[in-house]
Amino acid sequence: DADVTQTPRNRITKTGKRIMLECSQTKGHDRMYWYRQDPGLGLRLIYYSFDVKDINKGEISDGYSVSRQAQAKFSLSLESAIPNQTALYFCATSDSGTGVYTEAFFGQGTRLTVV
Amino acid sequence: KQEVTQIPAALSVPEGENLVLNCSFTDSAIYNLQWFRQDPGKGLTSLLLIQSSQREQTSGRLNASLDKSSGRSTLYIAASQPGDSATYLCAVRRVSGSARQLTFGSGTQLTVLP
Repeated sequence: DADVTQTPRNRITKTGKRIMLECSQTKGHDRMYWYRQDPGLGLRLIYYSFDVKDINKGEISDGYSVSRQAQAKFSLSLESAIPNQTALYFCATSDSGTGVYTEAFFGQGTRLTVV
Repeated sequence: KQEVTQIPAALSVPEGENLVLNCSFTDSAIYNLQWFRQDPGKGLTSLLLIQSSQREQTSGRLNASLDKSSGRSTLYIAASQPGDSATYLCAVRRVSGSARQLTFGSGTQLTVLP
């Protein structure tokens, strides 16, 4: 089983619908992240959480919300999906360790299409 | 603002060649730099992590170098194989800012021809 699991892997939804993407991890890391990837733009950070009680906006948080249900679970919601939210979404984790920002591990991605 | 650039955007080489992928970044105040591999329909696989105090890291046929002062990193792949075909991404974790998140380049799409 993958260390970082995203569900669903693929999703097609209609404009205006609410959708939730889920992420769970078995690495025991305290830090979790949501990124989106668009062709030619690399990955951009949407939200991040350093522990269950800590949620922070990334560079492109508008139109998104998140919930950290447990240390191992971090979900991303699109309250009212729009076509320009069509992208590949990645969840990632890292460990705070000794204070040095250590290696990041990524899930396999969720391909979301908003029609 | 940190910007990460990867050149070339695409590269095609015959099997067996040694090759170098380039990554440059504008802000040298980084904690570390990480190289990833991305296969179509799959997630990102971490290849190498270089801390800001290190000059290089090696894993098998891969060697990554870091010159923080000049804002550059290279990923050297020895004796390339068709299975190395993928998109390679570099990302830096910067010191400044509350997020200290990874900033990614757009990637180099590598094709190794048999």
